[in-house]
Amino acid sequence: DIQMTQSPSTLSASVGDRVTITCRASQSIGSWLAWYQQKPGEAPKLLIYKASSLESGVPSRFSGSGSGAEFTLTISGLQPDDFATYYCHQYNTYSPYPFGQGTKLEIK
Amino acid sequence: QVQLVESGGGLVRPGGSLTLSCAASGFTFSDYYMSWIRQAPGKGLEWISYISSRSRTKQYADSVKGRFTISRDNAKNSLYLQMNSLKSEDTGVYFCAREDPTDYFDSWGQGTPVTVSS
Repeated sequence: DIQMTQSPSTLSASVGDRVTITCRASQSIGSWLAWYQQKPGEAPKLLIYKASSLESGVPSRFSGSGSGAEFTLTISGLQPDDFATYYCHQYNTYSPYPFGQGTKLEIK
Repeated sequence: QVQLVESGGGLVRPGGSLTLSCAASGFTFSDYYMSWIRQAPGKGLEWISYISSRSRTKQYADSVKGRFTISRDNAKNSLYLQMNSLKSEDTGVYFCAREDPTDYFDSWGQGTPVTVSS
């Protein structure tokens, strides 16, 4: 089974900061990686698919990069609404469909 | 717009059964694979099952295999999860999600809570 490892688990930052979250796969998954944002009590929301494609309606301060086994989610110019938990998710193969363990983005 | 609404969650004793439903609207339900994903309290996301558009293919996570059954009724635009032999570790919020044809989850329901406790 493919394992997904996110880092860091928790990230403290301030409004206006640029932050990066990393997701590593235990084997190559091409570009078949998505990123989701989840706020407490809410469903996850798709941000990025195919490693770097921005979902419609998602602000352009969110960007994704990477391929193979290492990926990043970058938020440029943090806004108050961005403090949430972020998950990566591989969908290259039925593995079965693991998520990363999540990165909680907190206000410093 | 795409809407997914789960129902059927609740409190159930260990060993008991529960059936979750997910009502879909705003898209052609029969064109899409669908999944169930759960989240234990304070924990991350765990994919547990998917079903192909015409129910030919079903897959399950090892944690639920043999106990849970996914199904759908395309005429009713509905997805189901029959959960048997429930354990305390099945406690959590259960989300249904639509799969893009390339398999990422592009729409999610709001979730329904399941508590397994005596």
